[in-house]
Amino acid sequence: QSALTQPASVSGSPGQSITISCTGSSSDVGGYNHVSWFQQYPGKAPKLLIYEVHNRPSGVSNRFSGSKSGNTASLTISGLQTEDEADYYCCSPTTTNTRVFGTGTKVTVL
Amino acid sequence: EVQLVESGGGLVQPGRSLRLSCAASGFTFDGFAMHWVRQAPGKGLEWVSAITWNSGRMDYADSVKGRFTISRDNAKNSLYLQMNSLRAEDSAFYYCAKPLIWNSPNAFDIWGQGTLVTVSS
Repeated sequence: QSALTQPASVSGSPGQSITISCTGSSSDVGGYNHVSWFQQYPGKAPKLLIYEVHNRPSGVSNRFSGSKSGNTASLTISGLQTEDEADYYCCSPTTTNTRVFGTGTKVTVL
Repeated sequence: EVQLVESGGGLVQPGRSLRLSCAASGFTFDGFAMHWVRQAPGKGLEWVSAITWNSGRMDYADSVKGRFTISRDNAKNSLYLQMNSLRAEDSAFYYCAKPLIWNSPNAFDIWGQGTLVTVSS
């Protein structure tokens, strides 16, 4: 199972919106409404931001939103803040009962 | 407080074995499937394995199938990962993770702090 494809890096200025894509196939992203997104700071465990494509766990800022079209899921961060500078990963179940993460995206706040 | 604490990592020679443990607290452990996820230093996340609440089903990434075995002891609120025939490419931080909803396949809302496994001669 190959990792889902994410851009290696995305950057934006404070207050701007950025979008991170996550591209898979009909065997993973396209086949399920269970895409999740995680934020990870260096040396820390990942944090769940989005689950089931667009749902936010309690306590997660509404500046984070998720969507999906076909085999590509997207995470949008609106009103970009310096604290959003981190690595971001998508994740999907697969038709072989495994899970697959994305390659990861480093977000830089200019 | 909901918490997962991994242990058992360390330095091991190629071909040898290691058993990781994950102690759970603060939630109904036997109500959730549990997962192991790893991350090589400076690299991305890789899902490793999952086990259902009652140990009725275990799934593995192709990269570890046949070498790793996931198990759990609900009476001890503990999750395990037996790693055999270890390779250099298995070197990573290993996290145990709990899903937000009992039947969610990948909404991992609680993670441990990770335990480092280094495979080297």
